[in-house]
Amino acid sequence: DADVTQTPRNRITKTGKRIMLECSQTKGHDRMYWYRQDPGLGLRLIYYSFDVKDINKGEISDGYSVSRQAQAKFSLSLESAIPNQTALYFCATSDPGQGPETQYFGPGTRLLVL
Amino acid sequence: EDQVTQSPEALRLQEGESSSLNCSYTVSGLRGLFWYRQDPGKGPEFLFTLYSAGEEKEKERLKATLTKKESFLHITAPKPEDSATYLCAVQSAGGTSYGKLTFGQGTILTVHP
Repeated sequence: DADVTQTPRNRITKTGKRIMLECSQTKGHDRMYWYRQDPGLGLRLIYYSFDVKDINKGEISDGYSVSRQAQAKFSLSLESAIPNQTALYFCATSDPGQGPETQYFGPGTRLLVL
Repeated sequence: EDQVTQSPEALRLQEGESSSLNCSYTVSGLRGLFWYRQDPGKGPEFLFTLYSAGEEKEKERLKATLTKKESFLHITAPKPEDSATYLCAVQSAGGTSYGKLTFGQGTILTVHP
């Protein structure tokens, strides 16, 4: 079974709708991240969480919110979806340590906002 | 501000034709440089971590090297299944309290039979 899972894998929604993307992990990592990927813009950080009570904005958090329900679960919500939020969304996890902190990514959710 | 530039944007090789991908970076103290492979429609898959100039790591046909300003991903005798986008990312040692990654745009590698 995959260590980091995301649901749904694909989603089509309409402008103005509220949607939630979910991420679960079995790696036992404390830190979790949400990224979006757009052609030509690379991966950009939306939100990150150190633990259930510690949530922080990334570089592009406007229009998004998150919830850390448990160590293993981190959800991303689009309160009122707009077409320029059409993108690939990835969840990632990491475990802090002394040296480099490797992030492990989920399979992604492809979101289309009409 | 940390920056990562990858070149070329796209690379087309014949099977067996060795080549290298480049990742140039500027960072305020390198905690780590990461290489990921990404297949279409999938999440980035971790390949290597490097953190010390002169360090090298190998995995099958791939070898990653690191200097103080850039990293190379060498592909020896590639096969069609090596076709993917290869992403480079850096992690800064200072200024942030988390493992923030700054990604490059990626190099799209296509290996023809």
